Amino acid sequence: DTGVSQDPRHKITKRGQNVTFRCDPISEHNRLYWYRQTLGQGPEFLTYFQNEAQLEKSRLLSDRFSAERPKGSFSTLEIQRTEQGDSAMYLCASSLPGQGINTEAFFGQGTRLTVV
Amino acid sequence: AQTVTQSQPEMSVQEAETVTLSCTYDTSESNYYLFWYKQPPSRQMILVIRQEAYKQQNATENRFSVNFQKAAKSFSLKISDSQLGDTAMYFCACSYSGAGSYQLTFGKGTKLSVIP
Repeated sequence: DTGVSQDPRHKITKRGQNVTFRCDPISEHNRLYWYRQTLGQGPEFLTYFQNEAQLEKSRLLSDRFSAERPKGSFSTLEIQRTEQGDSAMYLCASSLPGQGINTEAFFGQGTRLTVV
Repeated sequence: AQTVTQSQPEMSVQEAETVTLSCTYDTSESNYYLFWYKQPPSRQMILVIRQEAYKQQNATENRFSVNFQKAAKSFSLKISDSQLGDTAMYFCACSYSGAGSYQLTFGKGTKLSVIP
């Protein structure tokens, strides 16, 4: 297992189109997170899964955004009717269950979305 | 809600010298964790060092150490013997268990350049 994998690495789309990103977490990690990072800013939390259950969603996650994690393995993040303001790096992270040292999040390389 | 503030957008240091990056945070939680993450150019974010808030002893990891001042809500990172490979964005982050998610709240980052 080489870490958290995200696909695609880059995506250019026209405004109004739908896009879907995929994240494959580290295999034994049951926690999975999506973050969004815009230029010059730190990542902002979007949503959290524990196994297949989506337990937390940020108010940043408008109704155009939807995330799934079927069977508690890989996750997808879909953005419908993309807007230019959606242009950002979308980061996926995963961590082990439990507390303490297990809360360390491992990040993927991200998907850079450009909406033109 | 938590907030993390990094007041130094950019810093530079000569190779082999020591540099300190500042971070302050605000949280109403009693049990939380603090992190420094490194994001090299076009590469994924990796954990540099972590600190559990209930531990008084400052964390150290090789050339990296923190100065954790709980009452002042301050969490600075010291990099000793700076190396060219330390050039990166550094993000300070805070997490707590919340609904079990341990989601991270990041600062805006400090861009560190190590000069040969």
